[in-house]
Amino acid sequence: GDSVTQMEGPVTLSEEAFLTINCTYTATGYPSLFWYVQYPGEGLQLLLKATKADDKGSNKGFEATYRKETTSFHLEKGSVQVSDSAVYFCALQAGTALIFGKGTTLSVSS
Amino acid sequence: DAGVIQSPRHEVTEMGQEVTLRCKPISGHDYLFWYRQTMMRGLELLIYFNNNVPIDDSGMPEDRFSAKMPNASFSTLKIQPSEPRDSAVYFCASSPIKARTEAFFGQGTRLTVV
Repeated sequence: GDSVTQMEGPVTLSEEAFLTINCTYTATGYPSLFWYVQYPGEGLQLLLKATKADDKGSNKGFEATYRKETTSFHLEKGSVQVSDSAVYFCALQAGTALIFGKGTTLSVSS
Repeated sequence: DAGVIQSPRHEVTEMGQEVTLRCKPISGHDYLFWYRQTMMRGLELLIYFNNNVPIDDSGMPEDRFSAKMPNASFSTLKIQPSEPRDSAVYFCASSPIKARTEAFFGQGTRLTVV
């Protein structure tokens, strides 16, 4: 069945460091891909999305490119801030519901 | 719009008791989803509705779990009887249409069964 695998955390970085969180997927057909972010005590919020191969989603300095050949959707940010500390979820949508990875905790220190 | 609203935010109950979680989706959204989040299993889809009709409940773990959507603005997830292993954060989400559309999440209900 469809599934998402993302790198285990936690990821600990200093402010202004470069961030990469790896995400790969398995799906039949051509799913849409998403990154959601969850701040402490909150629900999930959409960070960015891409609906077809080679699309790049971007928001708040974060980027991810839909790579069909490697079935990947890695999240990147050039310079992280303390306020980026959160849990990040990669997700795919092949049918109706979203299927999520297990989440990666990011901790950024000043 | 206020977004997806869940209540209560926190629930502590004793094993064997009935627990009811509530959700108000965003007005005009056709789809409603219930997810469960645990450290071990991450986010799991329990059930989803389309226009108030349950479409897929294959993620509901046991017969102790049931969900209803009596109208477009209200859904409940009930656990009866509750067990300690049901302790988790339960999220409700809604989305306007099926294809390639994000889901909007509520803030979740943190359930603790002691």
